[in-house]
Amino acid sequence: AQSVTQLDSQVPVFEEAPVELRCNYSSSVSVYLFWYVQYPNQGLQLLLKYLSGSTLVKGINGFEAEFNKSQTSFHLRKPSVHISDTAEYFCAVSRPYGGSQGNLIFGKGTKLSVKP
Amino acid sequence: EAGVAQSPRYKIIEKRQSVAFWCNPISGHATLYWYQQILGQGPKLLIQFQNNGVVDDSQLPKDRFSAERLKGVDSTLKIQPAKLEDSAVYLCASSFVVAGASIQETQYFGPGTRLLVL
Repeated sequence: AQSVTQLDSQVPVFEEAPVELRCNYSSSVSVYLFWYVQYPNQGLQLLLKYLSGSTLVKGINGFEAEFNKSQTSFHLRKPSVHISDTAEYFCAVSRPYGGSQGNLIFGKGTKLSVKP
Repeated sequence: EAGVAQSPRYKIIEKRQSVAFWCNPISGHATLYWYQQILGQGPKLLIQFQNNGVVDDSQLPKDRFSAERLKGVDSTLKIQPAKLEDSAVYLCASSFVVAGASIQETQYFGPGTRLLVL
């Protein structure tokens, strides 16, 4: 079975500062990795995903994430955040094959709060 | 392109009552998912449909929850009777992925239905 751990439930940061949201996963098989963002009272929106290839993945809104297989991590980074990045961020994994292929397993989320 | 539509957006009921949620996926998307998101937690998959067939319902509490996707397009999730612990946001998502394919297609989420059981 797969699981996802988001190490920080809340991350406060000042505007224009860099940020890193941490995600670790556990799985006995290879997985796909995702980061989703959820703005208040809205559904989830895909930021980026890692399927294969380059371990550095670039997404929308200036976010990027790096897949580290040895550390089973997929941390999300942005070099300079804006007030509009205030939201909750979810890391997720899915199995590439099998009966549950495509099903996302989410972490508990990290609330990013950007202060002026 | 229109996104995933869900209704109602909010619902308040008393325990032991029944409730139904509706989802209309993006046109052409074969796969539809229902997730439950309890406050402070990430979404948890309840059921996955491929066209009008169920692919995975292993985490659906079948004694009280039911879901259908007649004609392989829109879907309804029902809770009967509701319990206090069912208070959550119910998210619907859809994707173009075909079961058995190795490429992970993006899941597009609707705005969710926020349920409060009193």
